[in-house]
Amino acid sequence: KAGVTQTPRYLIKTRGQQVTLSCSPISGHRSVSWYQQTPGQGLQFLFEYFSETQRNKGNFPGRFSGRQFSNSRSEMNVSTLELGDSALYLCASSLGGHRNYGYTFGSGTRLTVV
Amino acid sequence: AQSVTQLGSHVSVSEGALVLLRCNYSSSVPPYLFWYVQYPNQGLQLLLKYTTGATLVKGINGFEAEFKKSETSFHLTKPSAHMSDAAEYFCAVSDNGNSGYALNFGKGTSLLVTP
Repeated sequence: KAGVTQTPRYLIKTRGQQVTLSCSPISGHRSVSWYQQTPGQGLQFLFEYFSETQRNKGNFPGRFSGRQFSNSRSEMNVSTLELGDSALYLCASSLGGHRNYGYTFGSGTRLTVV
Repeated sequence: AQSVTQLGSHVSVSEGALVLLRCNYSSSVPPYLFWYVQYPNQGLQLLLKYTTGATLVKGINGFEAEFKKSETSFHLTKPSAHMSDAAEYFCAVSDNGNSGYALNFGKGTSLLVTP
């Protein structure tokens, strides 16, 4: 059974550019969440999508956005990149909700902004 | 909002020794608690979770955790450490605050296992 697939694994972008990250959840999982991981702030929740609708949103600026497609694949976009956006971005999928099923995480996309 | 505090950012144990990673939570409602493990250059893997019911929760790879409401704790233990247990461990609590049902993670504890 395939796990959560995130592409690309590594990205280097220049300040001011925008970036799109992709996540393919486990087959049958309808919930996809995104987390940012940095050494200073740790793991922080970005947003969650369920059946193509944003269900929850963390405390991040509007430069961070996402969407989910009908096949449950999800993308997140960061516009006007800042140096502080350098982080590991983790996607997690769940059958229904993490409370009862837990998350399955992908290996992440490591974004470096220069 | 619910939160967790992990005591000790680094823990070192000898192979075969008891592993004890500490986590205390803050919650105004019955908490949903989790332990995740992260190996280098990988995502997080669910070790175990507590929702309701039995307070001693068994997880994968021989780990278990006990929910103690009176102590607001959810410490992770393993009777005998293996070299392969070396990783970063995260305690988390499900938050139903402004972010809906998101996970609030602790800062993590890096476990080092020495021969």
